[in-house]
Amino acid sequence: QVTLKESGPVLVKPTETLTLTCTVSGFSLSNARMGVSWIRQPPGKALEWLAHIFSNDEKSYSTSLKSRLTISKDTSKSQVVLTMTNMDPVDTATYYCARIFGGVTGTPNWFDPWGQGTLVTVSS
Amino acid sequence: QSVLTQPPSVSAAPGQKVTISCSGSSSNIGNNYVSWYQQLPGTAPKLLIYDNNKRPSGIPDRFSGSKSGTSATLGITGLQTGDEADYYCGTWDSSLSAHWVFGGGTKLTVL
Repeated sequence: QVTLKESGPVLVKPTETLTLTCTVSGFSLSNARMGVSWIRQPPGKALEWLAHIFSNDEKSYSTSLKSRLTISKDTSKSQVVLTMTNMDPVDTATYYCARIFGGVTGTPNWFDPWGQGTLVTVSS
Repeated sequence: QSVLTQPPSVSAAPGQKVTISCSGSSSNIGNNYVSWYQQLPGTAPKLLIYDNNKRPSGIPDRFSGSKSGTSATLGITGLQTGDEADYYCGTWDSSLSAHWVFGGGTKLTVL
C-alpha cells in the first residue's frame, strides 16, 4: 500500500522559514518516472502546485514562488523536504504531498495518492 | 485566476448526469494529458481520471473523462449524494515557465 505523510510545524511566524517533510512508503523515491510533488490549498480556496522532484533528481518550481522554494529528497530515508522562506500570512494553507507518475517526456502526468495534508498557519 | 477555467459550481438531482468542463490552451491541455481529482469535504484530493480518460482501479465507471483540443470534460452519471465534492482538473503547462496547473475547482451539489 502506497502512503505519503506530511509533517512539520503547525504554526510559523511571519518572515520565518517553513520546512515540511513528506515521508513515503510502499514505493521508492528511486523508481523510474516517479516523484513527489508539493501542493497547497488555502482555506476555502483552490489547489496550487508548488514544486516537484523526480527520481532522477530533476526539479521544478512554481514560477511565482520559485525564489522562496527549495525541494530535495533523501532516498535512503524515503523523504522529500520542501522549504519555503519568508513566510507570510497569505501562505496559510493545507500543504499536501503527492506521488507523481511521469510521462516519457519527464513531466508529471498525474498525482496519486495524496497525503492527508498538514495545515500550516502563519501568524505572529 | 487559474490558468485552467472551470465553472465554479454545477448541480443536478440524484440519478442524473452532470459534466464539468475544463478549458485551457495549447501550452497545457492542448499538448499534455489531463487528470481529474475529487475532493470530498475535509479530505485530501483523490485521483479520478488520468491520461485524459483512464480510470484508476476502484473508480466506478460512472466517472468518465474526455479531451478535445484545448478543453477537457469530466462526466458523472447516476449521481449520488456521496458525489458532492469539489472537482479539479490539472495538467502540465509546457510554456516557457513550465509548471503544473490546476483549474479553479468546481463544487458539485447533488440536489
